[in-house]
Amino acid sequence: GAVVSQHPSWVICKSGTSVKIECRSLDFQATTMFWYRQFPKQSLMLMATSNEGSKATYEQGVEKDKFLINHASLTLSTLTVTSAHPEDSSFYICSARGQPTNQPQHFGDGTRLSIL
Amino acid sequence: AQKVTQAQTEISVVEKEDVTLDCVYETRDTTYYLFWYKQPPSGELVFLIRRNSFDEQNEISGRYSWNFQKSTSSFNFTITASQVVDSAVYFCALSDSDSNYQLIWGAGTKLIIKP
Repeated sequence: GAVVSQHPSWVICKSGTSVKIECRSLDFQATTMFWYRQFPKQSLMLMATSNEGSKATYEQGVEKDKFLINHASLTLSTLTVTSAHPEDSSFYICSARGQPTNQPQHFGDGTRLSIL
Repeated sequence: AQKVTQAQTEISVVEKEDVTLDCVYETRDTTYYLFWYKQPPSGELVFLIRRNSFDEQNEISGRYSWNFQKSTSSFNFTITASQVVDSAVYFCALSDSDSNYQLIWGAGTKLIIKP
């Protein structure tokens, strides 16, 4: 149980386009979803936390207008990288957590984003 | 503030050797959870273990074992008889109520198993 599906696995697109990444919890209700960014040879960096039906809470230094997060249902959250540029290229990972809050996070397989 | 330290940036051993990955954590909370994850080159995070602060029993799962010592705030991970497939980056992480159970990540240890 506790499967999280993240799509796409990888995407290559031109600078200036917007890219949407989906994160779905397949067999549980994800009241909270997390979005991480990972640079090469570094640890995971939390970008934002979203609770279903609420606005996302962004970590310091993360541009909310650049990284739009929507968590409209208990099974789906999306991250949209708007007007992507080469510096947005990275590995993005989502995770989902049910209730209560001390439940473990379950991770998607990640999305490799390359902006040309 | 919470902190997780993985002092070993990279470890390289020959196959069949035993190897221990160190993890030291800081938290003021009395209730917390510790985790280990494996990240192979393909990138996905593989959950290995979750341990709560009230359970100090060591755990063994096949070739993997974990040593949790609250006295030294350490949660070390040992792979016995390492195999090439164990090559990956391993992350230790902490969650507690102060962080609303968000994960606080260590920097990771890259493990290279040579044939």
